Amino acid sequence: AQKITQTQPGMFVQEKEAVTLDCTYDTSDQSYGLFWYKQPSSGEMIFLIYQGSYDEQNATEGRYSLNFQKARKSANLVISASQLGDSAMYFCAMREGRGSGGYNKLIFGAGTRLAVHP
Amino acid sequence: DGGITQSPKYLFRKEGQNVTLSCEQNLNHDAMYWYRQDPGQGLRLIYYSQIVNDFQKGDIAEGYSVSREKKESFPLTVTSAQKNPTAFYLCASSMETGIYGYTFGSGTRLTVV
Repeated sequence: AQKITQTQPGMFVQEKEAVTLDCTYDTSDQSYGLFWYKQPSSGEMIFLIYQGSYDEQNATEGRYSLNFQKARKSANLVISASQLGDSAMYFCAMREGRGSGGYNKLIFGAGTRLAVHP
Repeated sequence: DGGITQSPKYLFRKEGQNVTLSCEQNLNHDAMYWYRQDPGQGLRLIYYSQIVNDFQKGDIAEGYSVSREKKESFPLTVTSAQKNPTAFYLCASSMETGIYGYTFGSGTRLTVV
């Protein structure tokens, strides 16, 4: 069965420092996608970054980068130069399949609560 | 601007009542989904729909029902059969290919009183 594991219930980081949020996954599918979402206290889910299983380069989006280690089945999120507004819940999610038609189920981890201190 | 609108933001239900949560999207997305989130947990899939007049059960469909009469709308009914309905409910949509993931609504917080 497919599974996403986030082992850090909570993380603290000093403002302007970098932080890594861990995510490991388990799937027997060769084609899949990995996502990170941010959920502030308002509850909305904000898409941060995407990595396809066949992408050779690690994904980057501004201050966010995804450290993709396929053999270890890990997809850690790195936030550089943390800001106070980064304080939120962060979810790692996995989608099976290339997405070329058909249903694409997203499986979520339990999340990591990040607190950025001034 | 395109997006997903969920209403109401807060909803209170008495024991034994059915309630319906609204989800509307103007993104022209084919697929729509309902997720449930409990405190300190991730999201769990309730129901999903890829096309109008078709929907499938997710992992925790018991006690819930949905309809998809229009492409833009995917309402969720929480029935009295759902024994523990207090939770945060998120609606999402995606293009059929789903390559870019989902767009989420802002959620409805349901409380049983």
